[in-house]
Amino acid sequence: EPEVTQTPSHQVTQMGQEVILRCVPISNHLYFYWYRQILGQKVEFLVSFYNNEISEKSEIFDDQFSVERPDGSNFTLKIRSTKLEDSAMYFCASSADNYNEQFFGPGTRLTVL
Amino acid sequence: GESVGLHLPTLSVQEGDNSIINCAYSNSASDYFIWYKQESGKGPQFIIDIRSNMDKRQGQRVTVLLNKTVKHLSLQIAATQPGDSAVYFCAENSDSNYQLIWGAGTKLIIKP
Repeated sequence: EPEVTQTPSHQVTQMGQEVILRCVPISNHLYFYWYRQILGQKVEFLVSFYNNEISEKSEIFDDQFSVERPDGSNFTLKIRSTKLEDSAMYFCASSADNYNEQFFGPGTRLTVL
Repeated sequence: GESVGLHLPTLSVQEGDNSIINCAYSNSASDYFIWYKQESGKGPQFIIDIRSNMDKRQGQRVTVLLNKTVKHLSLQIAATQPGDSAVYFCAENSDSNYQLIWGAGTKLIIKP
């Protein structure tokens, strides 16, 4: 069964450093998403991506964040200068269209020290 | 603002009993609703979805009910098993946006 994969599973970084979280969406999906979940809290939408551009983003997704689909398979989330409050689980998701089930990856736990 | 919320943060049920997890939403424009299950340390896993033109949908051991009049969504799990222990999230979106708006989550505990 096809699945979304994410790497790394756990990333530890120093405050102010840049991190890149990687995702491989399901191959025939066209819509891609990043969400985050601070420990013990609900899942929060960050950004959606379609046709090589951002289709929607939340207030959380400020100038420190960027997304990219550098090739036909990867979808990345970059945080330019990490802050302590960026510590969270980051989930990538993909869907065949924007009105159907979003499939989630296992997440990357980001710890900012 | 738009929000989706859950009535109960924790629900304990006896193994074999049925459980009902509730969710309220405030955006009347929402027309697609999903229940996700999240086990500890894992990503959300799709359980079942329902569109606003329906008021009930059944899956394997799960049923989702939608009451648009009171903006209420529920997930019924029949004959609960230990593997059902998880946090359950409701989420919604509409045709006009891409993001899923998530509820706070209900932790389901199955007692042996």
